[in-house]
Amino acid sequence: GNSVTQMEGPVTLSEEAFLTINCTYTATGYPSLFWYVQYPGEGLQLLLKATKADDKGSNKGFEATYRKETTSFHLEKGSVQVSDSAVYFCALSDPPVPYKYIFGTGTRLKVLA
Amino acid sequence: KAGVTQTPRYLIKTRGQQVTLSCSPISGHRSVSWYQQTPGQGLQFLFEYFSETQRNKGNFPGRFSGRQFSNSRSEMNVSTLELGDSALYLCASSPEGSQPQHFGDGTRLSIL
Repeated sequence: GNSVTQMEGPVTLSEEAFLTINCTYTATGYPSLFWYVQYPGEGLQLLLKATKADDKGSNKGFEATYRKETTSFHLEKGSVQVSDSAVYFCALSDPPVPYKYIFGTGTRLKVLA
Repeated sequence: KAGVTQTPRYLIKTRGQQVTLSCSPISGHRSVSWYQQTPGQGLQFLFEYFSETQRNKGNFPGRFSGRQFSNSRSEMNVSTLELGDSALYLCASSPEGSQPQHFGDGTRLSIL
């Protein structure tokens, strides 16, 4: 079945460090891929998306490229801030059932000043 | 534009009781999905409704049910509550289901 694998956390970085959170997926079709962020006590916020191979999603300095050949969608940011501290979720939706998202386990990011 | 609104934010129940959670989607969104979030199982899909019809259901027991009204608002019901039902229940909406989902802040359900 479809699945998403994320790197284990927590990830602890100093402010202005480079961030990479790895995400790989298994899907039978051609899924859309998403990154969501969850701040303490809140729901999930859509961070970025990509709907087909080689698409690059970007938002608020975060980027991720849909790599079909490696079935990956790694999240990157060139310079993290303390305010980026949150839990990040990689997710996919498979076209036959596009509203049913499969989520990774989440990666907690802590950025130190 | 108002976001997805879930009520109540917090609930405390005891085993054996039942509970109803409410979700008001973003105006114009007709697809509403429900997810359960727990530390052990992560985020799991419960079910999705579109135009008052359940289109898909996740792997949860029949104690979990839902419905959607003509104004697209949705409710989720859990009967005969168990300790393992303690979780954050998230609702998400999108125009028709194929677009990115927008999530509410969730209802945190605690079972004593």
